[in-house]
Amino acid sequence: SQKIEQNSEALNIQEGKTATLTCNYTNYSPAYLQWYRQDPGRGPVFLLLIRENEKEKRKERLKVTFDTTLKQSLFHITASQPADSATYLCALVVSGYALNFGKGTSLLVTP
Amino acid sequence: DTAVSQTPKYLVTQMGNDKSIKCEQNLGHDTMYWYKQDSKKFLKIMFSYNNKELIINETVPNRFSPKSPDKAHLNLHINSLELGDSAVYFCASSPPGLSNSPLHFGNGTRLTVT
Repeated sequence: SQKIEQNSEALNIQEGKTATLTCNYTNYSPAYLQWYRQDPGRGPVFLLLIRENEKEKRKERLKVTFDTTLKQSLFHITASQPADSATYLCALVVSGYALNFGKGTSLLVTP
Repeated sequence: DTAVSQTPKYLVTQMGNDKSIKCEQNLGHDTMYWYKQDSKKFLKIMFSYNNKELIINETVPNRFSPKSPDKAHLNLHINSLELGDSAVYFCASSPPGLSNSPLHFGNGTRLTVT
């Protein structure tokens, strides 16, 4: 079956360090992959989209990579700040017209 | 100037009741969605509407019925509520071209069935 898997463990890092989150998928070949941020009590907010022919995409302190051979995307936050603490979700079109999400990885950045 | 708004934010009700959640978007998008986020934070697609027509109906009980009076609104009606329906329900919208179109989410409706 088609799956989207993210680190189920919460990620705790120190302010200023780089956070790296992983998204793996199986039995699918998406043309695009998206990353979202979700804060408690709020809806997910779109961050970045990367296409299958793009190896890397950057936006300010955020960087996403997309390896279609490994079926994996990595999401990096450089110079992390406590305000970056949130749950980060990867998403892709798995079937039909639905954007399906991974379960998310909770990131905690401590001062 | 909220882009996607849902009401109510909280909904507490008893088993067996019928309830509705309303969603409106002012982004001019063609497609709207309902997602369910369970206690394990897993966000799962329920319905998708494109220009007032249903294009996805994932395996959800027929007690759930989406209704779209116009392109800017997608409401969710739930009949005979059950304990297992307790979750956070998110409405979202997107422009055409699903794969490369970001979804814009509302802030959710937390439904608690007692």
